[in-house]
This record gives sequence, structure tokens and C-alpha cells, in this order.
Amino acid sequence: GESVGLHLPTLSVQEGDNSIINCAYSNSASDYFIWYKQESGKGPQFIIDIRSNMDKRQGQRVTVLLNKTVKHLSLQIAATQPGDSAVYFCAEGNNFNKFYFGSGTKLNVKP
Amino acid sequence: NAGVMQNPRHLVRRRGQEARLRCSPMKGHSHVYWYRQLPEEGLKFMVYLQKENIIDESGMPKERFSAEFPKEGPSILRIQQVVRGDSAAYFCASSPESVQPQHFGDGTRLSIL
Repeated sequence: GESVGLHLPTLSVQEGDNSIINCAYSNSASDYFIWYKQESGKGPQFIIDIRSNMDKRQGQRVTVLLNKTVKHLSLQIAATQPGDSAVYFCAEGNNFNKFYFGSGTKLNVKP
Repeated sequence: NAGVMQNPRHLVRRRGQEARLRCSPMKGHSHVYWYRQLPEEGLKFMVYLQKENIIDESGMPKERFSAEFPKEGPSILRIQQVVRGDSAAYFCASSPESVQPQHFGDGTRLSIL
């Protein structure tokens, strides 16, 4: 089946710095991608999504980049704050119903 | 506007018992998804339902697991004759249509003694 993986299991950044979390996916037919944030004891929280007809999408302090050529997705968080500390998952969808999640990257923001 | 509601938040069962996990989707959402998460891992898709229909159950174990989303009431994930390996967090998500961001509940943490 499809696999979605992340390059770095743990990322530590200084408060105020920018964070980049990467994700590789294997199914070239995937056409919808979502980044989720999951805090301890909570469910995943939607951050930002991007469809395959786009290369970049920006939200508030977050930017998602999609490189379909190398099947790579990244999440950039500007001016990282302590409240950004969480596990971040990318998810890919290709059948309009189920999503495949990566194993997650833990973001640790140091004050 | 209430989010996706799951209950119970924590459920403890002994081996061989049945576990029933409930999920009420967000208002106006007719698509429900169940996922399972083991510690330090990502979410694994289990089943996708619309009202009274199972659309995709390719992630469900063939035995002991079943799911429903009746016309009235919450979606139910049922695990019969639970075993220790069923211990996990089970998350429900809902969306108004397919190909929409899924909104997740805070999960049910199932522990098997």
C-alpha cells in the first residue's frame, strides 16, 4: 500500500526560529495532502492542505510546499512558538475517502 | 459549533470482552472515518462510512471488528473478544463531503487488561 514517511523523527528549534518539517510520499497518484498537528492526549488538528495542482500554499505563519517531481511535501512554520510544540503528521489522499498518515515528526521548541 | 465527539475517552476491558466506541460527527457532516493509532506511530485508516453505508473497510481486521453509522445516532466501532493487541487510541474524523479536510475527535484510549 501507500507509504508516507518523514525524514526527521524529532526536530528541536529555538523559539523565534523558522521550522521546516519534511515528508516523502510514495504514491504519485495522490492528489490531496494535509498537515496535521497533534498535541499530547488530543486528536490531530488540521493545519493546512494543498492539492496536487498547486506547488505552494500559505496560511497564518505556515507554508506548505509540494514537489510532485520528487514526491516531497514540507511544512514551514515561521517564528516558531512554544505552543507549536507537538507531533506533526502529513497525510496523503488519493481516493477521496481515506488518508495515509506518516509516522510523525516531533517538534520541540526551546524557549 | 461542537466538534467531533468521541466517548468514552478512556475504556478499559478485560481480554474476551467487547468494546464499543462511539463517535458523533460535527453537525452537518455525513462522512465518518475511523483510525487507529499506536504509541509513537501515525494513524492507520480503518473504515470510512456514510449514513447507513460502509464505503471502504479495507483497513478493518477481518474478524472481531465492525463499524456502523446508523441513520440516527452516533457511529459505533465495535470490537468483540478483545485481545491485548487491540490496545490503542482510536480516532474518529468527519467531513461534510469527501475530499475535504477531516476533523478529528480527541479519541478513545482503549486498554486491555
